[in-house]
Amino acid sequence: EDKVVQSPLSLVVHEGDTVTLNCSYEVTNFRSLLWYKQEKKAPTFLFMLTSSGIEKKSGRLSSILDKKELFSILNITATQTGDSAIYLCAVGNAGGTSYGKLTFGQGTILTVHP
Amino acid sequence: NAGVTQTPKFQVLKTGQSMTLQCAQDMNHNSMYWYRQDPGMGLRLIYYSASEGTTDKGEVPNGYNVSRLNKREFSLRLESAAPSQTSVYFCAYGTSGTDTQYFGPGTRLTVL
Repeated sequence: EDKVVQSPLSLVVHEGDTVTLNCSYEVTNFRSLLWYKQEKKAPTFLFMLTSSGIEKKSGRLSSILDKKELFSILNITATQTGDSAIYLCAVGNAGGTSYGKLTFGQGTILTVHP
Repeated sequence: NAGVTQTPKFQVLKTGQSMTLQCAQDMNHNSMYWYRQDPGMGLRLIYYSASEGTTDKGEVPNGYNVSRLNKREFSLRLESAAPSQTSVYFCAYGTSGTDTQYFGPGTRLTVL
């Protein structure tokens, strides 16, 4: 059974802080790792990583994958109150015939205080 | 995600009642998914459809049925609702050739 574990489960910081969110996984046939941000409603896509050691970056957010050690980190620099959300990590399994069967972690609840 | 609509937004049912959650995507993608989200448990896959006319069970299919009516629509049915099915339900579509999925706004269901 595929397994995705995120840590910490919750995190409280102040504006301007830098945070690192962790995602470790056990997947029989790894294909991709995805990060999502969930505010009040639907999860919104942030990054998809497939190759080890290559950083994906979007503004103050960046993510990197380590396929040898089976984990990924999501960094957010100079946090803002608008970064407050649940951050979800998911892993895609290459087994089977179709894309998109994802296993999600529990999520990390990030709260950024002014 | 404007490409996915879900109805209703909220629903309260009594134990034993039935209902259908509707989902439609306007992006002409083949794959569609139904998830439930419970506190502290992330998203769990209920059913998915790789293409029109096909459906498969996910991680937590018990108590649910699905219909892929056409390429646009993928509905989720609860035949006899139970309090354990109180949850937020998300529909999603997947882009061809990748694992990336895009989610609808969700339906908050309460079963009393």
